[in-house]
Order: sequence, then structure tokens, then C-alpha cells
Amino acid sequence: DIVMTQSPDSLAVSLGERATINCKSSQSVLYSSNNKNYLAWYQQKPGQPPKLLIYWASTRESGVPDRFSGSGSGTDFTLTISNLQAEDVAVYYCQQYYNTPPYSFGQGTKLEIK
Amino acid sequence: QVQLVQSGAEVRKPGSSVKVSCKASGGTFSSFPINWVRQAPGQGLEWMGGIIPIFGTGNYAQKFQGRVTITTDESTNTVYMELSSLRSEDTAIYYCARSSGTYAHFDYWGQGTLVTVSS
Repeated sequence: DIVMTQSPDSLAVSLGERATINCKSSQSVLYSSNNKNYLAWYQQKPGQPPKLLIYWASTRESGVPDRFSGSGSGTDFTLTISNLQAEDVAVYYCQQYYNTPPYSFGQGTKLEIK
Repeated sequence: QVQLVQSGAEVRKPGSSVKVSCKASGGTFSSFPINWVRQAPGQGLEWMGGIIPIFGTGNYAQKFQGRVTITTDESTNTVYMELSSLRSEDTAIYYCARSSGTYAHFDYWGQGTLVTVSS
């Protein structure tokens, strides 16, 4: 099974600043035949289900503000939130959906305002 | 717009079973995988299994093999997740989530169903 590890577990960032969350997979999630990374990012606010932010590692879901961006390839990925807003306070999860299930998630990163 | 609406909260005793439903509307039901993901109190997300309604065969995480069964009713666009031999550690919010395709991200989520296992 592919293990997803996020860092840090929590971080506090000032309003208007940049937040960076990392995600590492135990094996590559890059499918060579289509050159796609099978990696998504989700945002979860208290009392709500997760919300898709980014898929294929760097494609922003429709309606997601462009201050959210994803990057990386193979085993190392990053979610960057620029110009942090108060409404971005949430827990963020990465997920791999490469090949055979289980489609594992990272342990989550809690983002707070400093 | 796709919507996934789940059944209400459940309370069960240890050793019993629970069956949670997820009704889809607004979109093609049969060809998109529906997954079940659970979240224990204060914990992260855990994929349990999934099914493509048109094929009707569930695919389960090894951790839940033998205890979980995912089924579909295409006539009502509903997917069911049944978990048996419940224990206190199964207390969690259970979410259904649609994949945008096979081996794809989860683009729509249900509102979640709290299952509490307590004697």
C-alpha cells in the first residue's frame, strides 16, 4: 500500500502571508503512460465534509480561488496557499488515487492564523 | 449539479451491524465509482472501499475485508455500505464520495453519517 506523509502536522501563518504544506508518497504516483500524477488535495472545515481543491497534483477544481496551487511530481508534492485569508483555516489532506486501491490519505495538516 | 445525500445518524451496540445509504442525484449514476471514507473523532480520513454501480462489485480496503459490504440499487440511484461486527473503534463519521472516474479524485461528497457504537 502507498503511505502518504504530510508535513508539518500543523502550522500558523499570518493573514496575507503564504502557507506551504508538503506531502510525500512512499512510492511514485506518476503514471508514465499519461504523465499524470494521481494526487489530490482536499480542504476540510469543522463539521463539513472534505472539499476537493486540486487534482492531478496541480489542476485547480472549478470555483477554487487561484491563491490555492499545487505542485510536485513523483513522490513529493506541495500545496501552496498565497495571501492567506481567514476562511482558509481548515485541515488539509493529500490523497493518492494511483492504480489499485486503497486510495490513501495523508494524516492531515491543520492550518491556523498566527 | 451532483448531490449525494446520506441517511441519518445511527447508534449501535458492539457486535451488531449498521447499513448507511447514499442517494445520488443530478448526474449519471451508474458509471462513476462511489467510495466510502470514514473519519473517527478528531482523526484523519480513511478509505474503506468503493463500487462502480454499473459493475456492482465492491472493492475493499484489506483492513475491512470480511466486515464491510458495499452494494447498489440502480433503480433508486442509491449506494449502501454495511459494516458488521461493530466495535467501539468504529465510532466515526462515514462519508460517501464520488470519483470522477476510475482511479480518480473524489469530486462530490455526501454530508456524512455519524455512527456511534456504544453499549
